[in-house]
Amino acid sequence: DIQMTQSPSSLSASVGDIVTITCRASQSIANYLNWYQHKVGEAPKLLLYAASNFHIGVPSRFSGSGSGTNFTLTISRLQREDFASYFCQQSYNTPFTFGPGTKVDFK
Amino acid sequence: QVQLKESGPGLVKPSETLSLTCTVSGGSMNNYYWTWIRQAPGKRLEWIGEIYYRGSTKYNPSLKSRVTVSLDTSKTQFSLRLTSVTAADTAFYYCARRGVGATQGTDWLDPWGQGTLVTVSS
Repeated sequence: DIQMTQSPSSLSASVGDIVTITCRASQSIANYLNWYQHKVGEAPKLLLYAASNFHIGVPSRFSGSGSGTNFTLTISRLQREDFASYFCQQSYNTPFTFGPGTKVDFK
Repeated sequence: QVQLKESGPGLVKPSETLSLTCTVSGGSMNNYYWTWIRQAPGKRLEWIGEIYYRGSTKYNPSLKSRVTVSLDTSKTQFSLRLTSVTAADTAFYYCARRGVGATQGTDWLDPWGQGTLVTVSS
């Protein structure tokens, strides 16, 4: 199985901050990397697919980059509604695997 | 817009079978993969398996001997059966739609249901 790691596991930030989350795969996954946002009690939401492509309706303050094994999610100008958990997922092969998540909370 | 909702018992006894249904509303099941994912307390998400709208299935090898995913397109539902459950199967269970595009890397899970907690306990 492809192992996914994320860092940091949690971070504290303020509205307006720039937040960067990294995701690494144990082997090359080209650009088969998706990012999701998850709030407690809600359905996870797709933010970005194929490493850097916006899902419909996702604000432009979210951006993604990377290929191969190293990927980054950046939230510029953090908004109140962005305080949530974020996780990556590889869709390169089955079993699809997920990162452990990064929780973004108020500083 | 397409919405998914999980349903089923919230409590299952050890050694029994966990059965969940995901109801799809607002769209067709055609041309997509229909997926089950779970998250045990304190653990990361785990992909359980999926079924293509034409009926072919794929399962996580770690669960393959105990898992069955089935589809009823007439009811726009798909289901999960997990046999011989133990406390380790206690988790939030999510259903999701997987779409695959023509461009490299275009393979995503959206939308998801909000999840249902299943506890395995006597």
